[in-house]
Amino acid sequence: EIVLTQSPGTLSLSPGERATLSCRASQSVSSAYLAWYQQRPGQPPRLLIYGASSRATGIPDRFSGSGSGTDFSLTIARLEAEDFAVYYCQHYGTSQVTFGGGTKVEI
Amino acid sequence: QVQLVQSGAEVKKPGASVRVSCKASGYSFTTYYIHWVRQAPGQGLEWLGRIHPGVAFTTYAQKFQGRVTMTGDTSTRTVYMELSSLGSDDTAVYYCARSRGYADYEASDPWGQGTLVTVSS
Repeated sequence: EIVLTQSPGTLSLSPGERATLSCRASQSVSSAYLAWYQQRPGQPPRLLIYGASSRATGIPDRFSGSGSGTDFSLTIARLEAEDFAVYYCQHYGTSQVTFGGGTKVEI
Repeated sequence: QVQLVQSGAEVKKPGASVRVSCKASGYSFTTYYIHWVRQAPGQGLEWLGRIHPGVAFTTYAQKFQGRVTMTGDTSTRTVYMELSSLGSDDTAVYYCARSRGYADYEASDPWGQGTLVTVSS
């Protein structure tokens, strides 16, 4: 099973700042199967990025994903009020899907 | 539009079973996987497994093997997730989510609204 470790646990930033979130896999994975989700309080997760760098439908271009091998990142170019939420990475390239523990982006 | 609507909240006693439903609309029901993911209070996301309703093919997370069963009813476009031998640590919001595309391995989009299952004596 692929273990995903996200860092930092919490990121304290202000609107307009840039956020960089990290996701490290326990072994090398194909970037084709790495996704990022956003979850606001009381809401289900929402797909932001799939295939490590492809934005899902309707996702603003201030969200971008990158990485390969064991190290992946999600960047939010300029934080807006609605971006303060918890973000999860996911590996879905095997029959055992796994999630990282999450990064909370707070004001 | 694609929509997944889940059944309502449940309260169960330890040792019991729970069945949560997920009714799909707006797409070809037999073409996409449905995944089940849960979230304990204040915790992260945990994958339980997936089902392909078209061929009734299932894959379960190793942790839940023998305790979870996923089924689908093509006539009602509904997928079910049953979890048995419930313990207090099964208290969580349970989500269904559709695969984004047709392939075996896809991200999940969209998600249902979630169903709170509370296990308490």
